[in-house]
Amino acid sequence: GAVVSQHPSWVICKSGTSVKIECRSLDFQATTMFWYRQFPKQSLMLMATSNEGSKATYEQGVEKDKFLINHASLTLSTLTVTSAHPEDSSFYICSAGLAGWVQYFGAGTRLSVL
Amino acid sequence: TQLLEQSPQFLSIQEGENLTVYCNSSSVFSSLQWYRQEPGEGPVLLVTVVTGGEVKKLKRLTFQFGDARKDSSLHITAAQPGDTGLYLCAGARASGTYKYIFGTGTRLKVLA
Repeated sequence: GAVVSQHPSWVICKSGTSVKIECRSLDFQATTMFWYRQFPKQSLMLMATSNEGSKATYEQGVEKDKFLINHASLTLSTLTVTSAHPEDSSFYICSAGLAGWVQYFGAGTRLSVL
Repeated sequence: TQLLEQSPQFLSIQEGENLTVYCNSSSVFSSLQWYRQEPGEGPVLLVTVVTGGEVKKLKRLTFQFGDARKDSSLHITAAQPGDTGLYLCAGARASGTYKYIFGTGTRLKVLA
């Protein structure tokens, strides 16, 4: 089956630093990738839709300058949390789209900002 | 605004019992998916339904998409401890973007 790799799985950083999270589709090409945020014991909230070679489309209320998304190739999308603060601490999950409505999820990245 | 409301929010049952989880919305969806998520992991797709009234079965799990494509249900027969997890429905709006909005989630715990 299709595999999506997300790295790192857990990151701890100091307030004010930037953190980059990678999402790779290992055995297929994904023209569209999605980034989600999940708070403890809550559902997934879509942050942005990332299309290869173009600017990401952000959901309402998501700060574009805070959460930078780059989709440089058909197998890699990155999310950079800039100048992270404790309120940015969360579980971030990516997914890669394949053949229309099928999407495969990464294992997630737990971000803790001290 | 949460477009997809799931009920119940929490459910704790004994092994062998049956249960139904509901996913409701006032919006029409072109397709709807059900996922199960374990703690600290990404969601795993269980099923995709695309036709109003469609029923799909996956072993002890039965999924139904409402006739109007606004709601869905997941029925588990003879629940087992391995069914424990967070169940999420996710709908793609009928705009053809294939962008999925997730439901509020149902946390299921099956006791041995």
